[in-house]
Amino acid sequence: NAGVTQTPKFRILKIGQSMTLQCTQDMNHNYMYWYRQDPGMGLKLIYYSVGAGITDKGEVPNGYNVSRSTTEDFPLRLELAAPSQTSVYFCASSYSKGREGYTFGSGTRLTVV
Amino acid sequence: AQSVTQLDSHVSVSEGTPVLLRCNYSSSYSPSLFWYVQHPNKGLQLLLKYTSAATLVKGINGFEAEFKKSETSFHLTKPSAHMSDAAEYFCVQMDSSYKLIFGSGTRLLVRP
Repeated sequence: NAGVTQTPKFRILKIGQSMTLQCTQDMNHNYMYWYRQDPGMGLKLIYYSVGAGITDKGEVPNGYNVSRSTTEDFPLRLELAAPSQTSVYFCASSYSKGREGYTFGSGTRLTVV
Repeated sequence: AQSVTQLDSHVSVSEGTPVLLRCNYSSSYSPSLFWYVQHPNKGLQLLLKYTSAATLVKGINGFEAEFKKSETSFHLTKPSAHMSDAAEYFCVQMDSSYKLIFGSGTRLLVRP
């Protein structure tokens, strides 16, 4: 049982480049989330999804896009990367509304230069 | 707006001594509260959760937390620190729309 799997683990982008951070879960969770973690800070919600075909903005959605075509996958797209997007990105999933807690992936460390 | 305050950014203890990581939440209703641990270069792991049941919550690896509504606190404790406990700890509150609000984290250092 893999849980939440994120790829890649590390990536360096040049300003203006685009990339997709992949996230997949095998727990049949309906709810999935993308967070970013900046140094010395807690996690901030970028986007979330309550099921296939349904996505919504979180606290810091600017510069990102998501899609949810299947229950398992929730990719995060960065268009026109900027230095401010240098961060560690975490994908998470939960059963229903998450009152039992979320399961987090191991993160993607992204540097934009 | 709801917020979570972790009162110490860093806590340093000696191995074998008690651990106390402090957290205050802000909420007008009975919240769902969590403690997560993050080891270096790892994802977040759920330590324990409070969801309106017993006020003293036991988690993994000997950690526990007490929900005190009168003090709006949810402090994390462990009787005896182990070297493997060195990590970043996050106090987290679930808001009324079921989204997580994270504290800024407390880095625990355990001295041999």
